[in-house]
Amino acid sequence: NAGVTQTPKFQVLKTGQSMTLQCAQDMNHEYMSWYRQDPGMGLRLIHYSVGAGITDQGEVPNGYNVSRSTTEDFPLRLLSAAPSQTSVYFCASRYTTDFYGYTFGSGTRLTVV
Amino acid sequence: SQELEQSPQSLIVQEGKNLTINCTSSKTLYGLYWYKQKYGEGLIFLMMLQKGGEEKSHEKITAKLDEKKQQSSLHITASQPSHAGIYLCGADESRGTSYGKLTFGQGTILTVHP
Repeated sequence: NAGVTQTPKFQVLKTGQSMTLQCAQDMNHEYMSWYRQDPGMGLRLIHYSVGAGITDQGEVPNGYNVSRSTTEDFPLRLLSAAPSQTSVYFCASRYTTDFYGYTFGSGTRLTVV
Repeated sequence: SQELEQSPQSLIVQEGKNLTINCTSSKTLYGLYWYKQKYGEGLIFLMMLQKGGEEKSHEKITAKLDEKKQQSSLHITASQPSHAGIYLCGADESRGTSYGKLTFGQGTILTVHP
C-alpha cells in the first residue's frame, strides 16, 4: 500500500515547455485533487475530481489541465510553463467517507526558468 | 468561496510550554481538518472535526470546533522540538457536488526551542 505517489519529485522547465505531473493512489479513493503551495499563501486548489471521468476547477486553474480516466490516476498538465508556475505541487485523495481525511503525496518541486 | 484565517502566522515557544493555534472561517465549517507539514515534505493528517462542540485528542495535541462551527483551535500541551513545523487548517467547502474541494488557511509556523 503505497498511498499517494507523485512523480517527479523535482523538475526544472524552461518557459514555454509543457509537462505532466503524475499522481497515483492505490487506496481506491474517489476524490483526488491538486494543490500548489507558495510561500505565505498556504495551499491553493488547482483542480479536483470526485470520480473517474469527472473533474472541476479550483481556485487557480489557469495554465493547468487535468483528466481522470481511471480511479487511480490524476495527472496535472502544464500547457506552456511560465515562471509564475514555479511552486511545490501536492496531490491529495480521500474516500467519500470522512473519517480518515485527505492523504497527501510528498510533492513535486517545480522551477520554471 | 470559503476563506480560512489562521493565527498566529508564526509562533516561537520554549520546550515544555503550551500553545494554541486558531483557525477562523467566514462560513460554516462542514469538515475541519488539521495537518502538520515538515519543511520540504508532504502533509500529515492530524485530526478532523465535523460536529459543533467536538473535541479530539491525539497524544499531546487537542483540536476543538466551536458550537457555531466557524472556529477551530489546536492546542499543544508541553511542546517538544518534534512538534515544530507548519500547521495548516483545511475545510471542505460544502457537502454535495463541492465535496473534495478542500480550502486551506495560510498556515502557522511553529518553532520549539530546546
